[in-house]
Amino acid sequence: DVKVTQSSRYLVKRTGEKVFLECVQDMDHENMFWYRQDPGLGLRLIYFSYDVKMKEKGDIPEGYSVSREKKERFSLILESASTNQTSMYLCASSLAIFYNEQFFGPGTRLTVL
Amino acid sequence: AQSVAQPEDQVNVAEGNPLTVKCTYSVSGNPYLFWYVQYPNRGLQFLLKYITGDNLVKGSYGFEAEFNKSQTSFHLKKPSALVSDSALYFCAVRDEAGANNLFFGTGTRLTVIP
Repeated sequence: DVKVTQSSRYLVKRTGEKVFLECVQDMDHENMFWYRQDPGLGLRLIYFSYDVKMKEKGDIPEGYSVSREKKERFSLILESASTNQTSMYLCASSLAIFYNEQFFGPGTRLTVL
Repeated sequence: AQSVAQPEDQVNVAEGNPLTVKCTYSVSGNPYLFWYVQYPNRGLQFLLKYITGDNLVKGSYGFEAEFNKSQTSFHLKKPSALVSDSALYFCAVRDEAGANNLFFGTGTRLTVIP
């Protein structure tokens, strides 16, 4: 089974802090994704990566950056957390075949105070 | 541009009755359509997908979905609902010319009443 793990299930940070969310997949997938999930808005893509050191902006990249130094690991960085970044963050991975499904991690619920 | 609409925020159905969760889409080319389910405090789990071929797609946990090109729909169905089917369901689409990412709907919360 594909396994996508996220470093924390719950995280509480203060406004202005730098926040790192880590995601690791064990199936040698080329593609990795970061989404945020908010009630009534569904999932919105923040960034995705199709290869090591490669990244593409999604629909809502403002306030976020990403890092992919190794194929299995994709990090989401909030340079200076703000209260409007309180959300559920979901990581996913997939093979680089356009019709392949994505596999999701359990999510990190981030609260910024 | 790709888009997905899930017109119902909430669907309630009695246990044992058939269920339908609706999804319509808009893409510029041929669509690739997916359904995911999310149980409380969990990530999304893949249910089924339509790529090509038979319009009726069967997936996990007894779910199926029917692709209708003329109506641009991909409704999720199950003949007999279980209480354990209660969850949040997401439809997603990408087109054959699009990028690697999926575009998700806003989700439909299904409640199966015992």
